[in-house]
Amino acid sequence: AQKVTQAQTEISVVEKEDVTLDCVYETRDTTYYLFWYKQPPSGELVFLIRRNSFDEQNEISGRYSWNFQKSTSSFNFTITASQVVDSAVYFCALSEAGNTGKLIFGQGTTLQVKP
Amino acid sequence: GAVVSQHPSWVICKSGTSVKIECRSLDFQATTMFWYRQFPKQSLMLMATSNEGSKATYEQGVEKDKFLINHASLTLSTLTVTSAHPEDSSFYICSARDVSGFLTSTDTQYFGPGTRLTVL
Repeated sequence: AQKVTQAQTEISVVEKEDVTLDCVYETRDTTYYLFWYKQPPSGELVFLIRRNSFDEQNEISGRYSWNFQKSTSSFNFTITASQVVDSAVYFCALSEAGNTGKLIFGQGTTLQVKP
Repeated sequence: GAVVSQHPSWVICKSGTSVKIECRSLDFQATTMFWYRQFPKQSLMLMATSNEGSKATYEQGVEKDKFLINHASLTLSTLTVTSAHPEDSSFYICSARDVSGFLTSTDTQYFGPGTRLTVL
Protein backbone atom coordinates (compact mmCIF):
# COMPACT_ATOMS: atom_id res chain seq x y z
CA ALA A 1 0.00 0.00 0.00
CA GLN A 2 1.12 3.52 -0.64
CA LYS A 3 1.45 5.92 2.22
CA VAL A 4 2.92 9.32 3.00
CA THR A 5 3.88 10.27 6.53
CA GLN A 6 4.60 13.76 7.74
CA ALA A 7 5.44 13.16 11.35
CA GLN A 8 5.68 16.83 12.29
CA THR A 9 2.19 18.12 12.93
CA GLU A 10 3.19 21.66 13.82
CA ILE A 11 6.45 23.56 13.72
CA SER A 12 7.03 27.03 15.07
CA VAL A 13 10.15 29.03 14.24
CA VAL A 14 11.28 32.60 14.47
CA GLU A 15 11.80 34.56 11.31
CA LYS A 16 15.17 33.99 9.58
CA GLU A 17 15.58 30.54 11.06
CA ASP A 18 16.00 27.58 8.75
CA VAL A 19 13.39 24.87 8.98
CA THR A 20 13.10 21.37 7.53
CA LEU A 21 9.82 19.61 6.94
CA ASP A 22 10.06 15.85 6.86
CA CYS A 23 8.28 13.50 4.49
CA VAL A 24 8.58 9.73 4.41
CA TYR A 25 6.77 7.62 1.87
CA GLU A 26 5.97 4.00 1.20
CA THR A 27 5.36 2.47 -2.19
CA ARG A 28 6.01 -0.77 -4.03
CA ASP A 29 6.13 1.00 -7.37
CA THR A 30 9.46 1.60 -9.04
CA THR A 31 8.08 4.57 -10.90
CA TYR A 32 6.39 7.24 -8.87
CA TYR A 33 6.26 10.97 -8.36
CA LEU A 34 6.61 13.04 -5.23
CA PHE A 35 5.17 16.49 -4.69
CA TRP A 36 5.13 19.30 -2.20
CA TYR A 37 2.21 21.72 -1.97
CA LYS A 38 1.73 24.78 0.20
CA GLN A 39 -1.68 25.69 1.60
CA PRO A 40 -1.73 29.23 3.00
CA PRO A 41 -4.63 30.41 5.20
CA SER A 42 -6.58 31.35 2.07
CA GLY A 43 -6.96 27.63 1.38
CA GLU A 44 -5.63 27.29 -2.14
CA LEU A 45 -2.97 24.63 -2.63
CA VAL A 46 0.08 25.99 -4.36
CA PHE A 47 2.30 23.59 -6.30
CA LEU A 48 5.93 23.79 -5.19
CA ILE A 49 7.77 20.88 -6.73
CA ARG A 50 7.41 17.55 -8.51
CA ARG A 51 10.15 14.94 -8.44
CA ASN A 52 10.14 11.61 -10.25
CA SER A 53 11.59 8.47 -8.74
CA PHE A 54 14.47 8.31 -11.19
CA ASP A 55 15.78 11.73 -10.38
CA GLU A 56 17.53 11.88 -7.04
CA GLN A 57 19.16 15.21 -7.63
CA ASN A 58 18.47 17.69 -4.93
CA GLU A 59 16.81 20.87 -6.03
CA ILE A 60 17.09 24.45 -4.90
CA SER A 61 14.69 27.22 -5.75
CA GLY A 62 15.46 30.45 -4.00
CA ARG A 63 15.05 29.85 -0.27
CA TYR A 64 13.50 26.45 -0.86
CA SER A 65 15.42 23.22 -1.24
CA TRP A 66 14.43 19.59 -1.42
CA ASN A 67 16.40 16.50 -0.48
CA PHE A 68 15.23 13.26 -2.09
CA GLN A 69 16.75 10.09 -0.64
CA LYS A 70 15.43 6.85 -2.12
CA SER A 71 17.48 4.80 0.31
CA THR A 72 15.45 6.16 3.21
CA SER A 73 12.26 6.84 1.24
CA SER A 74 12.34 10.46 2.24
CA PHE A 75 11.67 13.70 0.44
CA ASN A 76 12.41 16.50 2.87
CA PHE A 77 11.80 20.18 2.31
CA THR A 78 13.96 22.94 3.76
CA ILE A 79 13.15 26.62 3.93
CA THR A 80 16.19 28.79 4.49
CA ALA A 81 15.88 32.12 6.28
CA SER A 82 12.17 31.64 6.89
CA GLN A 83 9.76 34.53 6.57
CA VAL A 84 6.35 35.20 8.05
CA VAL A 85 4.81 34.67 4.61
CA ASP A 86 6.03 31.08 4.74
CA SER A 87 3.44 30.38 7.43
CA ALA A 88 1.13 27.76 5.96
CA VAL A 89 0.29 24.08 5.93
CA TYR A 90 2.66 22.09 3.78
CA PHE A 91 1.62 18.80 2.21
CA CYS A 92 3.84 16.11 0.80
CA ALA A 93 2.16 13.82 -1.73
CA LEU A 94 2.89 10.70 -3.75
CA SER A 95 1.28 9.81 -7.03
CA GLU A 96 0.48 6.30 -8.06
CA ALA A 97 2.21 4.67 -10.96
CA GLY A 98 0.14 4.11 -14.03
CA ASN A 99 -2.23 6.52 -15.54
CA THR A 100 -4.62 7.37 -12.73
CA GLY A 101 -2.68 10.36 -11.47
CA LYS A 102 -4.17 9.98 -8.00
CA LEU A 103 -2.32 11.78 -5.24
CA ILE A 104 -1.83 10.31 -1.79
CA PHE A 105 -1.33 13.11 0.68
CA GLY A 106 0.48 13.18 3.97
CA GLN A 107 -1.23 14.63 6.99
CA GLY A 108 0.37 18.02 6.48
CA THR A 109 2.73 20.08 8.61
CA THR A 110 1.60 23.43 9.90
CA LEU A 111 4.47 25.88 9.87
CA GLN A 112 4.23 29.05 11.89
CA VAL A 113 6.92 31.64 11.37
CA LYS A 114 6.91 34.30 14.05
CA PRO A 115 8.31 37.77 13.49
CA GLY B 1 0.00 29.61 -16.29
CA ALA B 2 -1.60 26.53 -14.71
CA VAL B 3 -4.58 28.34 -13.26
CA VAL B 4 -7.60 26.48 -11.96
CA SER B 5 -10.67 28.35 -10.86
CA GLN B 6 -13.57 27.28 -8.70
CA HIS B 7 -16.96 28.86 -8.39
CA PRO B 8 -18.43 29.75 -6.02
CA SER B 9 -15.72 30.36 -3.45
CA TRP B 10 -18.23 29.98 -0.67
CA VAL B 11 -21.87 29.04 -0.43
CA ILE B 12 -24.43 28.82 2.35
CA CYS B 13 -27.55 26.79 1.71
CA LYS B 14 -30.48 25.29 3.52
CA SER B 15 -30.65 21.63 4.33
CA GLY B 16 -32.25 19.65 1.51
CA THR B 17 -31.15 21.89 -1.33
CA SER B 18 -28.61 21.02 -4.00
CA VAL B 19 -25.43 22.94 -4.63
CA LYS B 20 -23.31 22.94 -7.77
CA ILE B 21 -19.60 23.73 -7.71
CA GLU B 22 -17.68 24.42 -10.90
CA CYS B 23 -14.02 23.71 -11.53
CA ARG B 24 -12.30 25.16 -14.59
CA SER B 25 -8.79 24.89 -15.96
CA LEU B 26 -8.21 28.30 -17.46
CA ASP B 27 -5.09 27.89 -19.54
CA PHE B 28 -4.68 24.20 -20.17
CA GLN B 29 -6.83 21.23 -21.08
CA ALA B 30 -7.49 18.70 -18.37
CA THR B 31 -8.74 15.27 -19.36
CA THR B 32 -8.74 14.40 -15.69
CA MET B 33 -9.90 16.42 -12.74
CA PHE B 34 -10.12 15.41 -9.12
CA TRP B 35 -12.46 16.39 -6.32
CA TYR B 36 -11.29 16.50 -2.74
CA ARG B 37 -12.86 17.26 0.57
CA GLN B 38 -10.98 18.78 3.47
CA PHE B 39 -12.12 19.04 7.06
CA PRO B 40 -10.58 21.65 9.37
CA LYS B 41 -6.96 20.93 10.26
CA GLN B 42 -7.00 17.72 8.26
CA SER B 43 -5.50 16.51 5.04
CA LEU B 44 -7.26 16.29 1.71
CA MET B 45 -9.52 13.33 1.13
CA LEU B 46 -9.98 12.28 -2.48
CA MET B 47 -13.65 11.88 -3.31
CA ALA B 48 -13.61 11.07 -7.00
CA THR B 49 -11.73 11.21 -10.26
CA SER B 50 -13.50 12.99 -13.07
CA ASN B 51 -12.66 12.00 -16.62
CA GLU B 52 -13.76 14.02 -19.60
CA GLY B 53 -16.43 12.21 -21.56
CA SER B 54 -16.86 9.32 -19.17
CA LYS B 55 -18.29 8.49 -15.78
CA ALA B 56 -16.48 9.59 -12.68
CA THR B 57 -14.66 7.08 -10.50
CA TYR B 58 -15.60 7.39 -6.85
CA GLU B 59 -13.46 6.47 -3.88
CA GLN B 60 -14.70 3.89 -1.45
CA GLY B 61 -17.29 5.29 0.91
CA VAL B 62 -18.26 8.23 -1.27
CA GLU B 63 -21.90 8.15 -2.34
CA LYS B 64 -22.10 8.69 -6.08
CA ASP B 65 -25.78 9.62 -5.92
CA LYS B 66 -25.01 12.21 -3.30
CA PHE B 67 -22.05 13.79 -5.06
CA LEU B 68 -22.77 14.02 -8.75
CA ILE B 69 -19.82 14.74 -10.99
CA ASN B 70 -19.94 15.83 -14.58
CA HIS B 71 -16.90 16.48 -16.77
CA ALA B 72 -18.51 17.94 -19.83
CA SER B 73 -15.45 19.45 -21.49
CA LEU B 74 -11.68 19.47 -21.30
CA THR B 75 -11.77 22.55 -19.10
CA LEU B 76 -14.83 22.09 -16.90
CA SER B 77 -15.91 19.67 -14.23
CA THR B 78 -18.84 20.16 -11.88
CA LEU B 79 -19.65 18.67 -8.49
CA THR B 80 -23.25 18.76 -7.36
CA VAL B 81 -24.00 18.04 -3.74
CA THR B 82 -27.56 16.79 -3.79
CA SER B 83 -29.98 17.16 -0.90
CA ALA B 84 -27.27 18.71 1.21
CA HIS B 85 -27.23 18.19 4.97
CA PRO B 86 -25.19 19.88 7.69
CA GLU B 87 -22.70 17.01 7.70
CA ASP B 88 -21.86 17.86 4.08
CA SER B 89 -20.46 21.20 5.26
CA SER B 90 -16.82 21.20 4.30
CA PHE B 91 -14.11 22.70 2.13
CA TYR B 92 -14.27 21.21 -1.37
CA ILE B 93 -11.22 21.48 -3.57
CA CYS B 94 -10.78 20.46 -7.19
CA SER B 95 -7.61 19.86 -9.10
CA ALA B 96 -6.88 19.56 -12.78
CA ARG B 97 -4.21 17.32 -14.15
CA ASP B 98 -1.92 18.79 -16.75
CA VAL B 99 -0.57 15.82 -18.66
CA SER B 100 0.82 17.74 -21.58
CA GLY B 101 3.65 19.38 -19.74
CA PHE B 102 2.88 22.45 -21.77
CA LEU B 103 2.96 24.80 -18.83
CA THR B 104 5.40 23.49 -16.31
CA SER B 105 5.94 20.06 -14.85
CA THR B 106 4.45 17.21 -16.80
CA ASP B 107 1.63 15.30 -15.19
CA THR B 108 1.09 17.62 -12.29
CA GLN B 109 -2.14 18.46 -10.51
CA TYR B 110 -2.97 22.11 -10.09
CA PHE B 111 -5.53 23.04 -7.50
CA GLY B 112 -8.42 25.43 -7.45
CA PRO B 113 -8.91 27.88 -4.58
CA GLY B 114 -11.59 25.74 -2.97
CA THR B 115 -15.26 26.17 -2.14
CA ARG B 116 -16.45 26.45 1.42
CA LEU B 117 -19.89 24.90 1.76
CA THR B 118 -22.02 25.56 4.82
CA VAL B 119 -25.33 23.75 5.09
CA LEU B 120 -27.71 25.17 7.66
